[in-house]
Amino acid sequence: QSALTQPASVSGSPGQSITVSCTGTTNDFGSYDLVSWYQQHPGKAPKVLIFEGLRRPSGVSTRFSGSKSGNTASLTISGLQPEDEADYYCCFHHISDKSVVFGGGTKVTVL
Amino acid sequence: QVQLVQSGPEVKKPGSSVKVSCKTSGDSLNSYTIIWVRQAPRQGLEWMGRIIPLLGVANYAQKFQGRVTITADKSTGTAYMDLSGLRSEDTAVYYCAREPVVPVVQYYLDSWGQGTLVTVSS
Repeated sequence: QSALTQPASVSGSPGQSITVSCTGTTNDFGSYDLVSWYQQHPGKAPKVLIFEGLRRPSGVSTRFSGSKSGNTASLTISGLQPEDEADYYCCFHHISDKSVVFGGGTKVTVL
Repeated sequence: QVQLVQSGPEVKKPGSSVKVSCKTSGDSLNSYTIIWVRQAPRQGLEWMGRIIPLLGVANYAQKFQGRVTITADKSTGTAYMDLSGLRSEDTAVYYCAREPVVPVVQYYLDSWGQGTLVTVSS
């Protein structure tokens, strides 16, 4: 199975924008927009923020946006707010063998 | 509203098995794939496997092959994850989540259960 690499931590001040990266190692990661992003607060279940690389489910703040360039997907949080302090995970669904892989997670701290 | 409701916490002895349930609402099992993910204490998310209830087909992560069995009962709208040969490293919160497949497959997890803590200890 592939691996997805995320930075362990990212921080920013309220109102700033930050970006969390997610780098994949397989050809299909670079070829398909099947990356999703999840936010997880301590003791809670993850919640989807972005799917298919850049689509937002209804109800998710427009401050969250996704993009991809080559083998790196990115989640940008604009206008950082205290409630954005959480762990963020990228995820990729492999069409070929129906497997799913998560990145190691990034802890976002609001200074 | 809550759409995936999991069974309660479990404490198990090493070598035993645990079966965690995930009850869905409405006709979810006809419209979704159910995926199981676990999270060890202070660790990240780890995919274990999935079942396509509509087809009755399951596939598993290589790491858990031979130890995990995922099933679904469409009559009750409930999915199950059975993990055998438990060891201390299996202590984790186990989540079920659903992946929309109707009208087309959408490759993300749109709803998660609340999680079930499984503690393996002698």
